[in-house]
Amino acid sequence: KQEVTQIPAALSVPEGENLVLNCSFTDSAIYNLQWFRQDPGKGLTSLLLIQSSQREQTSGRLNASLDKSSGRSTLYIAASQPGDSATYLCAVHTGKLIFGQGTTLQVKP
Amino acid sequence: EADIYQTPRYLVIGTGKKITLECSQTMGHDKMYWYQQDPGMELHLIHYSYGVNSTEKGDLSSESTVSRIRTEHFPLTLESARPSHTSQYLCASSESGRGAGELFFGEGSRLTVL
Repeated sequence: KQEVTQIPAALSVPEGENLVLNCSFTDSAIYNLQWFRQDPGKGLTSLLLIQSSQREQTSGRLNASLDKSSGRSTLYIAASQPGDSATYLCAVHTGKLIFGQGTTLQVKP
Repeated sequence: EADIYQTPRYLVIGTGKKITLECSQTMGHDKMYWYQQDPGMELHLIHYSYGVNSTEKGDLSSESTVSRIRTEHFPLTLESARPSHTSQYLCASSESGRGAGELFFGEGSRLTVL
């Protein structure tokens, strides 16, 4: 059974720091991995989608990597801003999307 | 920007009422999903559909039902709401085809049953 784990559960950093969020999964047989952002009480916003054949994807200050063999993905956020404060979720697609519990990020001004 | 819409955004109702949460997407996606999320908790898949007249139950047992009569529309119904149904319900859609496409979510419907 596929399990997705995100570490840390919560993170607080000062504005301007570069940071890394981690996502691990137990079964490497995935179609793709997707990173989302969720603001309190809202839906999920798709940030990056990495297909199983890809190693990384970039969008602005965000960079996501995928290492299928080790069952890991990282989301790198450069020069963090208070507006980046949210919960970040990773999800692996194995036919169905399996979510991690998320990392709640607070960026302090 | 995703074109997937949920109504109502917020709903407070009494026990025993019948409610329907609406979800529509204008992207022509065949695959649609309903997730349930309690505050601070992870998302659980409760229903999904791979096309018109196709519906399946997800990983988390739910007393709700869904229908898929039109491609763009995937409503969720609770025949008799109870306080245990209080939660946020998130609708999503993705493209068809081999493997899996990017998933797009609506803003969610937050249901409170008194």
